Amino acid sequence: DSGVTQTPKHLITATGQRVTLRCSPRSGDLSVYWYQQSLDQGLQFLIQYYNGEERAKGNILERFSAQQFPDLHSELNLSSLELGDSALYFCASSVARREGRNEQFFGPGTRLTVL
Amino acid sequence: AQTVTQSQPEMSVQEAETVTLSCTYDTSESDYYLFWYKQPPSRQMILVIRQEAYKQQNATENRFSVNFQKAAKSFSLKISDSQLGDAAMYFCAYRPGANNLFFGTGTRLTVIP
Repeated sequence: DSGVTQTPKHLITATGQRVTLRCSPRSGDLSVYWYQQSLDQGLQFLIQYYNGEERAKGNILERFSAQQFPDLHSELNLSSLELGDSALYFCASSVARREGRNEQFFGPGTRLTVL
Repeated sequence: AQTVTQSQPEMSVQEAETVTLSCTYDTSESDYYLFWYKQPPSRQMILVIRQEAYKQQNATENRFSVNFQKAAKSFSLKISDSQLGDAAMYFCAYRPGANNLFFGTGTRLTVIP
């Protein structure tokens, strides 16, 4: 158990809909990262938040947005869903210091199926 | 551009034998970290081993070791005494500084009893 929690575990929805994925980081970790893993692919970085502020953006679509709340949990919002958005969405957290190992701990993922 | 390449989509190994998974990366950074992650059928991402680029000594974790060739930008994973539980997807990942991870496309490892 990494200490990172993600809800829900599975999500099935229809095209055009909007969903929210939730992530709670490990206690003490200030940074949250969101990754997308499409079928049998590597993980693609979407976005990073650090202590409530957006720190880095990767290949995140305009239909997707995220935020990190004062209690440090994060939500990833996916809207106008398309079939191609079906994937496993991972959240990871780290201390994100400038120096040091800054290991990222991954949650169990949310499997999104768009029908 | 920062890229990670895993040229072996699939590998197999006999139980108790040794297997090496390959990874190359491209970067202009001097401060970075390299990782191997294991993803079993449960889909959980499990950190296997890490290597700091500034360290010349190759990292070792029990049966897992790496061959880090900084000049060649190569980072291979060696699994010794392979066990059935080692069967999984293995992802090589690169991280510049304290930033996000860049992943390769993975190598599916099969362990033959």
